[in-house]
Amino acid sequence: DQQVKQNSPSLSVQEGRISILNCDYTNSMFDYFLWYKKYPAEGPTFLISISSIKDKNEDGRFTVFLNKSAKHLSLHIVPSQPGDSAVYFCAASARDNNDMRFGAGTRLTVKP
Amino acid sequence: GAGVSQTPSNKVTEKGKYVELRCDPISGHTALYWYRQSLGQGPEFLIYFQGTGAADDSGLPNDRFFAVRPEGSVSTLKIQRTERGDSAVYLCASSLNPTVHTGELFFGEGSRLTVL
Repeated sequence: DQQVKQNSPSLSVQEGRISILNCDYTNSMFDYFLWYKKYPAEGPTFLISISSIKDKNEDGRFTVFLNKSAKHLSLHIVPSQPGDSAVYFCAASARDNNDMRFGAGTRLTVKP
Repeated sequence: GAGVSQTPSNKVTEKGKYVELRCDPISGHTALYWYRQSLGQGPEFLIYFQGTGAADDSGLPNDRFFAVRPEGSVSTLKIQRTERGDSAVYLCASSLNPTVHTGELFFGEGSRLTVL
């Protein structure tokens, strides 16, 4: 069962513009959400996270927004840079579970 | 190195063979996870170790899959009687926090398994 969904397999934006990556989840028990970034031939690396007690977390060019009522979160990257081109995975975890559920990923391409 | 190390990086085997994949976590990380990533999919949870014991193996697909972590550091994922559907990238991750719930995971580069 796909409890974390990233419905856009790819996204292309121009350098300097905003990138918005979306993620939806179905399990209302999820209360911690993370974004991971993956370059080819490397493992995913942690980017930013948010607890369900917040609706926004910002770290430099990266901001994650959480809408609990809609079970939706998004990652905003502004301004986008060519080095941001990678696959971005949304992940979620629940307090009573040891596993972290991942979405299928969105491939972001930032064009110079 | 300071990161999570996985070997081999690539493994090609024939259907029915036995395979072992090794993970060396970050020193001091007590929690260790195995994930499997199939083409076009996100990482899928397999098993979680806290110290030497498998705290949660609910993600292992069947009894052909087994993992050990005898000394609480290095872990080995073992796959018996491999099938073509086992072909995937097997990712190992470790975490400093005792549970994954709020701690980020540090992933290795993965072991790509191809079963012919």
